[in-house]
Amino acid sequence: DAMVIQNPRYQVTQFGKPVTLSCSQTLNHNVMYWYQQKSSQAPKLLFHYYDKDFNNEADTPDNFQSRRPNTSFCFLDIRSPGLGDAAMYLCATSPEGGNSPLHFGNGTRLTVT
Amino acid sequence: SQQGEEDPQALSIQEGENATMNCSYKTSINNLQWYRQNSGRGLVHLILIRSNEREKHSGRLRVTLDTSKKSSSLLITASRAADTASYFCASARVSGYSTLTFGKGTMLLVSP
Repeated sequence: DAMVIQNPRYQVTQFGKPVTLSCSQTLNHNVMYWYQQKSSQAPKLLFHYYDKDFNNEADTPDNFQSRRPNTSFCFLDIRSPGLGDAAMYLCATSPEGGNSPLHFGNGTRLTVT
Repeated sequence: SQQGEEDPQALSIQEGENATMNCSYKTSINNLQWYRQNSGRGLVHLILIRSNEREKHSGRLRVTLDTSKKSSSLLITASRAADTASYFCASARVSGYSTLTFGKGTMLLVSP
């Protein structure tokens, strides 16, 4: 089945130790998103790609970066995780951006110790 | 910010009852979408309603949109225990194409 896959499901990292989360899709969608969701809160958009065009939200910390080497893969890099970065990170894809439904992966739960 | 507000924040009902959740947003939209999230999982798209539509149905789901009031509602009829989840609305701006802004969500608990 075509889908959005996030690895790992659970990630534990130490304070200040760089971590990379990955997302892959078999839907061949142009747009890929990274959302951060803290407990009992709304998903918050960090950035998105339309094809190779990178779009950063104004309030996304510089600590967060992303790479999209090809259509299928997208990575979220957290350069120096702080305790406040502990959250669920959700990857989503869409063929037409916000004009069509988003397809989400099951997320990566990040714990910072 | 166009972040929507949803109410109630939490809703507890019995199986068989209907559940209604409301969403408000701040600026003009292209469409509004509803998503469900089971605990610890990703979001699942339920229904999309465009700005020129007033009502849409999908199975036991009914969504209304009132652009004059900048609000939407999601009705789940004949609820089941499996409907227990958080429900989020998300709005897509008129200008630009790419992003959805999610509301804070309603946590629905359906008891057998």
